[in-house]
Amino acid sequence: EIVLTQSPATLSLSPGERATLSCGASPSVGNRYLAWYQHKPGLAPRLLIYDASRRATGIPDRFSGSGSGTDFTLTISRLEPEDFALYYCQQYDSSPYTFGQGTKLEIK
Amino acid sequence: QVQLQESGPGLVKPSETLSLTCTVSGASISSYYWSWIRQSPGKGLEWIGYIYYSGSTSYNPSLRSRVTISIDTSRNHFSLNLSSVTAADTAVYYCARHGGRWYHFENWGQGTLVSVSP
Repeated sequence: EIVLTQSPATLSLSPGERATLSCGASPSVGNRYLAWYQHKPGLAPRLLIYDASRRATGIPDRFSGSGSGTDFTLTISRLEPEDFALYYCQQYDSSPYTFGQGTKLEIK
Repeated sequence: QVQLQESGPGLVKPSETLSLTCTVSGASISSYYWSWIRQSPGKGLEWIGYIYYSGSTSYNPSLRSRVTISIDTSRNHFSLNLSSVTAADTAVYYCARHGGRWYHFENWGQGTLVSVSP
């Protein structure tokens, strides 16, 4: 199965700053079949990015995704207060689908 | 707007079967793929398996021997049965919708906590 490793585990930033979250894959993810989700406690996870770089419906353009193969990145250009949450990457290129361990984005 | 809602017992005894239902509103279950995913305390997300409206299924090999996912198109819901549970099966269980076999999860339920304890 494909193992996804997210870094850092915790990212401490201030509103207005730029956030860069990484997701490494082993072995590589084909077809750029990688998604990013935002998760807040008690709520349903929210799809942000799919196919590595396509924004889901209704997602602000401050969220962007990039990468292919073994290295993927989620960038939040200017953090808003509501962006502080957990973020997970997930691959759907091969079965079983797998997730990264998550990055906690916290307010500094 | 598609909404998914998990329901079922919050407490299951060891060796028994965990049973959950996901009720779908705002979309017909007679299309799309429908998955179960869980998150154990302090651990990451784990995909359990999916069912297509036709009844075809796919399960995570790590759980395959104990999992059954079924679908009831007349009630617009699908269900999870996980047999012979242990404390390691304590988790928040989520249901989710995806548009194809090789597809991202477009919509999720908010999850339901199931604890395994005597």
